[in-house]
Amino acid sequence: QQQVKQSPQSLIVQKGGISIINCAYENTAFDYFPWYQQFPGKGPALLIAIRPDVSEKKEGRFTISFNKSAKQFSLHIMDSQPGDSATYFCAASRGWKSNYQLIWGAGTKLIIKP
Amino acid sequence: NAGVTQTPKFQVLKTGQSMTLQCAQDMNHEYMSWYRQDPGMGLRLIHYSVGAGITDQGEVPNGYNVSRSTTEDFPLRLLSAAPSQTSVYFCASSYSSNLQKQETQYFGPGTRLLVL
Repeated sequence: QQQVKQSPQSLIVQKGGISIINCAYENTAFDYFPWYQQFPGKGPALLIAIRPDVSEKKEGRFTISFNKSAKQFSLHIMDSQPGDSATYFCAASRGWKSNYQLIWGAGTKLIIKP
Repeated sequence: NAGVTQTPKFQVLKTGQSMTLQCAQDMNHEYMSWYRQDPGMGLRLIHYSVGAGITDQGEVPNGYNVSRSTTEDFPLRLLSAAPSQTSVYFCASSYSSNLQKQETQYFGPGTRLLVL
């Protein structure tokens, strides 16, 4: 019930293409779903986050799509660029009920080919 | 602001040795946490603190101790290192006054630990 399952494990996309990373969860008590981006040798950094009261959130080329009934959410990167090459993690939180602890997916290594 | 800083960047230990991983933040954040990152497993929470003097266990606390004597510092102690503790360790902090809402976590650059 606590797990967040992320797929694919790795992804190669051509420059200018759309990158899509998916996450699924079981615990319906989750109420906060962030995506973090991590470059090699660095710590993760928040990219974008969504709450279950909306189905989509867009920030520049990055969009989160959220499907509450299917208990799935995904990250879409439009017009993917070589600078987007990084590892992406989805996560989920039960909010104050769990002291805002994040449960993390296993990560997706994204490579954008020039 | 330096943000979240961690030392050392890399450490090699022998089985049974002890050491302390240092973490400091200069953003006056109340919430601090320690994660370990292993290939294919994402990040797993070791210990966290909601303020000075208050700590609690996360998902994988065994073999680790923490303390929080000041708002700025949150050291992680390995009591008797084991090869299973070979990992990359990240410290993170966030502003969360009285835990009223979810806040962005800011991560340090990590400490890579190898236990032989």
